[in-house]
Amino acid sequence: AQSVTQLGSHVSVSEGALVLLRCNYSSSVPPYLFWYVQYPNQGLQLLLKYTSAATLVKGINGFEAEFKKSETSFHLTKPSAHMRDAAEYFCAVSDPPGGGNKLTFGTGTQLKVEL
Amino acid sequence: DAMVIQNPRYQVTQFGKPVTLSCSQTLNHNVMYWYQQKSSQAPKLLFHYYDKDFNNEADTPDNFQSRRPNTSFCFLDIRSPGLGDAAMYLCATSRTTQGRTEAFFGQGTRLTVV
Repeated sequence: AQSVTQLGSHVSVSEGALVLLRCNYSSSVPPYLFWYVQYPNQGLQLLLKYTSAATLVKGINGFEAEFKKSETSFHLTKPSAHMRDAAEYFCAVSDPPGGGNKLTFGTGTQLKVEL
Repeated sequence: DAMVIQNPRYQVTQFGKPVTLSCSQTLNHNVMYWYQQKSSQAPKLLFHYYDKDFNNEADTPDNFQSRRPNTSFCFLDIRSPGLGDAAMYLCATSRTTQGRTEAFFGQGTRLTVV
């Protein structure tokens, strides 16, 4: 079964500082990986996705993630945090083709941005 | 511009009283999903439809049912809500069942059971 693990349930950074949210995956086949963001009492919004093309993926709001097979990682980064980035971030992996495109989510990382 | 619309955003129901949550989509996607997200937890898939083909997750309680009368609409029925069913319920769609296509989520319905 495929899974993702997010290290750190809470991350706090200063405004303007680097954001690094960690995600490691476990998969027996090349994975499809996603990062979603969730603001309070809202649904999930896609930030970016990895679908076996370029290993460095750029997403919305200045976020990017790098797929590293050797480390089984897909960490999310942003060079300079803004107050509006405060939210919960979920890493997810989807089933292989034919599996229904079901998403398995990590436990989430709450990002706090301080002045 | 909303593409996946859930109604209502907030729902309060009584313990044991049947409740229905609604989801509609303007994307004409084949696949629709229902996820349950409890407080401070990751979303958990309950079931999904590929067109009219219903797929239940093995650990989804029988108390949860779903209907998809047409491409655009999908309903989540909770036959006898318990206190443990209080959660955010998220509807999502995707164009195909191939893993490389992303899911589009609605704003969610927060269910309170009193």
